[in-house]
Amino acid sequence: NAGVTQTPKFQVLKTGQSMTLQCAQDMNHNSMYWYRQDPGMGLRLIYYSASEGTTDKGEVPNGYNVSRLNKREFSLRLESAAPSQTSVYFCASSDLLPQYFGPGTRLTVT
Amino acid sequence: KNQVEQSPQSLIILEGKNCTLQCNYTVSPFSNLRWYKQDTGRGPVSLTIMTFSENTKSNGRYTATLDADTKQSSLHITASQLSDSASYICVVSAQNSNSGYALNFGKGTSLLVTP
Repeated sequence: NAGVTQTPKFQVLKTGQSMTLQCAQDMNHNSMYWYRQDPGMGLRLIYYSASEGTTDKGEVPNGYNVSRLNKREFSLRLESAAPSQTSVYFCASSDLLPQYFGPGTRLTVT
Repeated sequence: KNQVEQSPQSLIILEGKNCTLQCNYTVSPFSNLRWYKQDTGRGPVSLTIMTFSENTKSNGRYTATLDADTKQSSLHITASQLSDSASYICVVSAQNSNSGYALNFGKGTSLLVTP
């Protein structure tokens, strides 16, 4: 089992560009999450999907959209990237306990 | 407001020594408390999960304690190894009847184990 995979691992964008971060899990989990991690801030929830077909906003959803494509895949889209979105993005999945995290995507917006 | 505070922010210890990391929380209603280890450049990995009725849980050299009355938890690392160098994150889960379990993350304690 690969667990939770994320692509890409690194990305540099210019302000205003768009991109989609991909996440897939092979553990048949119902719930999937997108977090961002910034220095001194801890992990903050952007969006989550409690089950296939549903998505909900987390703590910091502004500037992002998500799609739960199927049970395995949960993507995060930045429509118009801003320097404030420079961060490390983690996808996670779970069936309540515990959460399994992907390796992260390091995004820089210049 | 639900909060999770971890201390110390960072810690340096010699290989072979023990250490204890602290987590205080104000999350309510409490569901469970988790400790994660995050190696540099990687995603967090779960070490222990404790519910209200559990006051200690071990995972190898890692032992977590929970005092639900004082809302405090600690993570004790015994006979530290260089590979223990990482960030340790305390996560407290609140029961959220609308959307499942809401997680509250601490900012983490950065541990460096030196030879």
